[in-house]
Amino acid sequence: KQEVTQIPAALSVPEGENLVLNCSFTDSAIYNLQWFRQDPGKGLTSLLLIQSSQREQTSGRLNASLDKSSGRSTLYIAASQPGDSATYLCAVRGGGADGLTFGKGTHLIIQP
Amino acid sequence: KAGVTQTPRYLIKTRGQQVTLSCSPISGHRSVSWYQQTPGQGLQFLFEYFSETQRNKGNFPGRFSGRQFSNSRSEMNVSTLELGDSALYLCASSYLMDSRGETQYFGPGTRLLVL
Repeated sequence: KQEVTQIPAALSVPEGENLVLNCSFTDSAIYNLQWFRQDPGKGLTSLLLIQSSQREQTSGRLNASLDKSSGRSTLYIAASQPGDSATYLCAVRGGGADGLTFGKGTHLIIQP
Repeated sequence: KAGVTQTPRYLIKTRGQQVTLSCSPISGHRSVSWYQQTPGQGLQFLFEYFSETQRNKGNFPGRFSGRQFSNSRSEMNVSTLELGDSALYLCASSYLMDSRGETQYFGPGTRLLVL
């Protein structure tokens, strides 16, 4: 059974810092990995999707990498801003019939 | 293009009742998935529909059921509600039948409180 772990569970940094969020998964047989952000009481916003054949994806200040063989992904946020404060969720889509498997998330606070 | 919409946004029910939640996918999307989010278990997959057929189902009891209509709108039903069913229920849509390679777009969720 696929398990997804996100470290750290919570992170608080001053504005302007670059930061890295980590995600690991136990079964490397995945179709893709997706990073989401969730604001309090809201749904999920898709940030980046990395297919299993890709190594990284970039969107603006965000860069996500994927090392399928080691079961790891990182989300790099450059020049963090208070508006980046949210919970960041990592999810993998495996070959089985059980939808996306999510990590518990990293709760990120950017201090002004 | 409008995003995924879910109704109602908030719901309060008592134990033993049943509830129906609705999801309208992004126009043109034919695949709809449902997830349950709780503080303890996080996000867990409930089921996935495409063209009115259930394609996948997560590890939830039979009290949880769903369906999809010809216009791709989907409903999920929970019968005999338990306190542990209190959660945020999220719906996601994607375009293709095989959504494994696609981005999934999530709605704002329905927050269900069971008393």
